[in-house]
Order: sequence, then structure tokens, then C-alpha cells
Amino acid sequence: NAGVMQNPRHLVRRRGQEARLRCSPMKGHSHVYWYRQLPEEGLKFMVYLQKENIIDESGMPKERFSAEFPKEGPSILRIQQVVRGDSAAYFCASSPSAWGTNYGYTFGSGTRLTVV
Amino acid sequence: KNEVEQSPQNLTAQEGEFITINCSYSVGISALHWLQQHPGGGIVSLFMLSSGKKKHGRLIATINIQEKHSSLHITASHPRDSAVYICAVGVYGNKLVFGAGTILRVKS
Repeated sequence: NAGVMQNPRHLVRRRGQEARLRCSPMKGHSHVYWYRQLPEEGLKFMVYLQKENIIDESGMPKERFSAEFPKEGPSILRIQQVVRGDSAAYFCASSPSAWGTNYGYTFGSGTRLTVV
Repeated sequence: KNEVEQSPQNLTAQEGEFITINCSYSVGISALHWLQQHPGGGIVSLFMLSSGKKKHGRLIATINIQEKHSSLHITASHPRDSAVYICAVGVYGNKLVFGAGTILRVKS
């Protein structure tokens, strides 16, 4: 029973390139959340998705960032034209229900993005 | 003022000591989580609480809903307990709001 799988674990991109971060939720989990941890800062909510729907994207930067969770396959967090300030650890979590913060909230190991 | 405040920010203890990390929050919550993160590592969920007290091995977590306060205790601390401990609260909209974390170092 694999946990939340994120890949890659480490990603290096040059300024201006695109970064794609993948998250496969736990089996049976249909709710996915992305969080960002900037260097020396706490974790911050980015986006909450359910299959094929964005439920809450209030934490997403207005430009260059997008997220999806298709009917088949992993959730993808996409960052276009990366800048140095995007360097951070990006964590995905999943839950089996809309009451996820009360039950079954599970984190992945994170993707560490470095922009050079 | 942050919605979730943790104290202390940094904590150094000798092996064997009893450790307490505190968390206060100012928003309505559905549940409170205690998480552990090792440097460069993933996030491990230690406890999820909505009332009372939970114990797992040497770790104990308590919550007082009326006072909006939670504590994480580590008994008989060990160097392998060295990590960042993060308090997070579940808020309306099914997302977590995090404290800044407490960096714990246990010396042998």
C-alpha cells in the first residue's frame, strides 16, 4: 500500500524553463493538496484539487503556476518560466474525503526545486 | 499575528530530558496535526487531534479546545528525535495552516 508518491525528488531548472512536479495520491484518495515550503519559511497552502476539478486555488501565485488532477494519472503542478524565487520544496498531500483534515491526511516526500 | 503560533522556535535538550513544544491558534479548526520533518526530508504525520490526548510510544499530544492550545511532549528524548516539529490546523475549506515549526536538537 504505497503512500503518496512524488516525483522527481529533486529537480534543477534554469531560469525561464518549465518545471513539472507530479503527485500520485494514496490508493483510494481522490483529494489532493499542494503546499510550498520556501527556504527558511513555513509551509503554505497552494491549491486543493479533486479529480478533474480545482476546488480552491487561493494560495497559487496568479501567474506562471497551474495545477491539474486528471481523471487518469497523477496530479501535476506546473510552473512556467521559472525564476530563482520559485526554488522551494513542494509537498503534496492526499486524503480520502472532503473531511481530509480530520481523517487520513497523508504527505508525500516532496520535490525540491532548484532554479539556477 | 500568525494564525498558528509555536514555541519555542529552537530547542536544545540533553538526551533523556522531557520536552514540551507548544502551539496556539486563533482560528476555528476541525482538527490539529503534529508533524515531523527531518532536514531535507519528507513530512511525517505524528498525531491528529480534535480533543483530549493521544499517546504513541514516547510521544504525547494534548489539546485544549477552549483555550485553543496544544502541546507535544517527548519523554526520554533521544538524539534521533532531532527534527523540526510542526503544528498545523485544519481550517474551513479542507486545508492546513501551519506554524513556523520548532527546531529540536537532542544532544547525547
